[in-house]
Amino acid sequence: EAEVAQSPRYKITEKSQAVAFWCDPISGHATLYWYRQILGQGPELLVQFQDESVVDDSQLPKDRFSAERLKGVDSTLKIQPAELGDSAMYLCASSFQPGSGANVLTFGAGSRLTVL
Amino acid sequence: AQSVTQLDSHVSVSEGTPVLLRCNYSSSYSPSLFWYVQHPNKGLQLLLKYTSAATLVKGINGFEAEFKKSETSFHLTKPSAHMSDAAEYFCVVSDYNAGNMLTFGGGTRLMVKP
Repeated sequence: EAEVAQSPRYKITEKSQAVAFWCDPISGHATLYWYRQILGQGPELLVQFQDESVVDDSQLPKDRFSAERLKGVDSTLKIQPAELGDSAMYLCASSFQPGSGANVLTFGAGSRLTVL
Repeated sequence: AQSVTQLDSHVSVSEGTPVLLRCNYSSSYSPSLFWYVQHPNKGLQLLLKYTSAATLVKGINGFEAEFKKSETSFHLTKPSAHMSDAAEYFCVVSDYNAGNMLTFGGGTRLMVKP
């Protein structure tokens, strides 16, 4: 069964350091999402790509977060500098038809970030 | 604006007894509704979806949910809980008027006692 690949699974860093997460969506999925899930809460959308273009990054803290999907396939989410409040699970998801009535997302296993 | 409220943050049941996880939604149009499950340190897995077809939706692992427009509810049920059902469950709404953006509820942690 096709999966969304994410790495690293776990990352521990000190505040003010830079971190990066990588995501490879399911082949053929044009839409890619990055979500942040704080412990005990539901996921919140950070950024949505359609192919290589950003569709929605209204909730992305752009002073420290950046995301790219240069060739419209895999994607990188970067945080620089990391802050204590960034400790969370970062989930990547992809979908095939964002314009359809049912936007079914397939999620990766996530990257858990701990900032010390 | 769309929103989702999961009425219980924690639910505890005994193995073999029924499961009920409650979800109410707010949407300006005909929504699509989903339930996702998340096991510890894992990603989210789709359990089932409602997309304006049959109001009673059957999903994986014996779960089902009923869309009730008059009550704006989409509660998740299972007749008999298994230990492996212990996980976090998220109710999700997607609205065409919101660009099909998904809005997640806060989650319900299901605990299953032997």
